[in-house]
Amino acid sequence: ETGVTQSPTHLIKTRGQQVTLRCSSQSGHNTVSWYQQALGQGPQFIFQYYREEENGRGNFPPRFSGLQFPNYSSELNVNALELDDSALYLCASSLSGTGSYEQYFGPGTRLTVT
Amino acid sequence: DAKTTQPNSMESNEEEPVHLPCNHSTISGTDYIHWYRQLPSQGPEYVIHGLTSNVNNRMASLAIAEDRKSSTLILHRATLRDAAVYYCILRRVSNDYKLSFGAGTTVTVRA
Repeated sequence: ETGVTQSPTHLIKTRGQQVTLRCSSQSGHNTVSWYQQALGQGPQFIFQYYREEENGRGNFPPRFSGLQFPNYSSELNVNALELDDSALYLCASSLSGTGSYEQYFGPGTRLTVT
Repeated sequence: DAKTTQPNSMESNEEEPVHLPCNHSTISGTDYIHWYRQLPSQGPEYVIHGLTSNVNNRMASLAIAEDRKSSTLILHRATLRDAAVYYCILRRVSNDYKLSFGAGTTVTVRA
């Protein structure tokens, strides 16, 4: 059973640029959630995708957007990067509709905005 | 979202039990209590969850107060690999999608 994978591991961008982060779900999972974790804080929910549609969103501006593909992999896109976007971005997959409550997290992508 | 309160940090000796408290006085009847932990340089991992009754699994035990306003995660024999940040999270049954993490409790295990 393959776990959740994310790419790239690390990324450095300049303020104002755009970035795309990628996530491959655990085998058999149909739901992907994205979280932002600033240094020293707990992860903050960005949004979730289920069956290729956004299924819930946290308190993040529209410049944070996402996609889920038919194979359940997902992308997080961030436009007009700001210095405060520097964080660890975590992807979590789960299986909705079965009563299973566990989310399985990837190792994250460390984004640095300069 | 109902909030949880945890101590910032706790220390334990290796092979001794660790009791991690969590207060959730505004919990509603449809809130499940979840625990996740995050080891250094890793994403969070699921530990255990419960609703009303105490729960046991291979990683830990969860003791839930009768009034559900508090709970305790119990690591029966701490190892160095249990050093992590432990998060207590309330998750509403109807709110299937998000986990609301707080700051968690940083657990240090002494050899």
